[in-house]
Order: sequence, then structure tokens, then C-alpha cells
Amino acid sequence: NAGVTQTPKFQVLKTGQSMTLQCAQDMNHEYMSWYRQDPGMGLRLIHYSVGAGITDQGEVPNGYNVSRSTTEDFPLRLLSAAPSQTSVYFCASSSRGQRKTEAFFGQGTRLTVV
Amino acid sequence: AQSVTQLGSHVSVSEGALVLLRCNYSSSVPPYLFWYVQYPNQGLQLLLKYTSAATLVKGINGFEAEFKKSETSFHLTKPSAHMSDAAEYFCAVRAGEQGGSEKLVFGKGTKLTVNP
Repeated sequence: NAGVTQTPKFQVLKTGQSMTLQCAQDMNHEYMSWYRQDPGMGLRLIHYSVGAGITDQGEVPNGYNVSRSTTEDFPLRLLSAAPSQTSVYFCASSSRGQRKTEAFFGQGTRLTVV
Repeated sequence: AQSVTQLGSHVSVSEGALVLLRCNYSSSVPPYLFWYVQYPNQGLQLLLKYTSAATLVKGINGFEAEFKKSETSFHLTKPSAHMSDAAEYFCAVRAGEQGGSEKLVFGKGTKLTVNP
């Protein structure tokens, strides 16, 4: 059981480049989300999805796009990377409608924008 | 809306000493509360969770936390620190079934150092 899988683990981008961070889960979870982690800031919610075809903005959505075409996958797109997007990105999933259940996290993607 | 405050971004203890990491929450509805641990260069792993079944919750690796509604707190404790406990710890809150957003909101984290 793989859980939540994120790729790549590390990435260096130049300012203005675009890329997609991949996230896949095999637990049939409806709820998926993307967070960024910065020193002293904790985890901040970027975008989330409550099911296939449904996405919404979190706390820090600017500069990021998401889509949810299947239950399993929830990619995060950086359209034009900026140095301020240097961060560690985590994807998480959980069961919807059972708020007492925990969120499961991927191992993270460490992104550097130069 | 839900929010979490973790008091102390860095806590340092000696091996064998008590570990106390503080978490206060704000929620307009009865909350569910979680503690996660993050070891260096890894993802987040659940330590324990409060889901209204019992106010004293036991988790993995000897950690426990007590939900105190009157103090809006969910502090994490461990009687005797081990070197392997060195990590960053995050408290998180989610609104209970009665309403509010189902988003998981995190505190800013507390980095625990264990000295030999």
C-alpha cells in the first residue's frame, strides 16, 4: 500500500519556468490538498479538492493551479515560477465525511527557484 | 474559522526529561485535534488525535495529549525524552461534524531538540 506518492522529490527551476508537481493516492480518498512548508510558517494550504472535478483555493493560491480529473491524482502546476515559490510542498489526502480521520501525507517535493 | 497557536517555536530538553509541547486552538464548533511529527527531510506522520471519545489520548512512541475544553488546549507530553524524539511537531485542528470547514489547519510547528 503506497499511500500518497509525490514526484519529484527535488527540483530546481529557473525563474519563469513552469512545472507540475505530481501527487497520487491509492486509498480512494475524496479529499486531497496541497500545502507549502516554509521555515517558521508551518504548513499553509494552497489548494484543495473534495472530489473529482471539484477544486477550491486555500490560504495561499496565487501562482498555482490545480485540477482533479480522477480520484487518485491531484497535480499542482506552477505556471511561471518565482523565487518566492521556493519551498517544500506536501500533498495530503483524507476521507471526506469522516472528519475524525487523519490526513495522510506524501514525502514532499523540495523546490528551489533560482 | 479554526486556528492553532503553538507556543514556542523551539524547545530543548535533556534526554530523560519531560517533554511538553503546547498547543492552543480556536474553533467555533467542537473540534477534532491532531498532532503530527516530522523527522528531518520526511513527510508528516500522525502521532495522535482527539476525536471526542476520550480527553486523554495516547499516541505512538510514548506520547500523549490531553484535551481541555475550558483552556482550549491540547498539549503534547512525553514523560522521558529520547534522542530519537528530536523532530518538528505540528498541532492541527479541523472542525467537528457539526459544521464549519473540513480543512485541516496547522500551527507553525515546534522544533524539539534533545540533548544528551
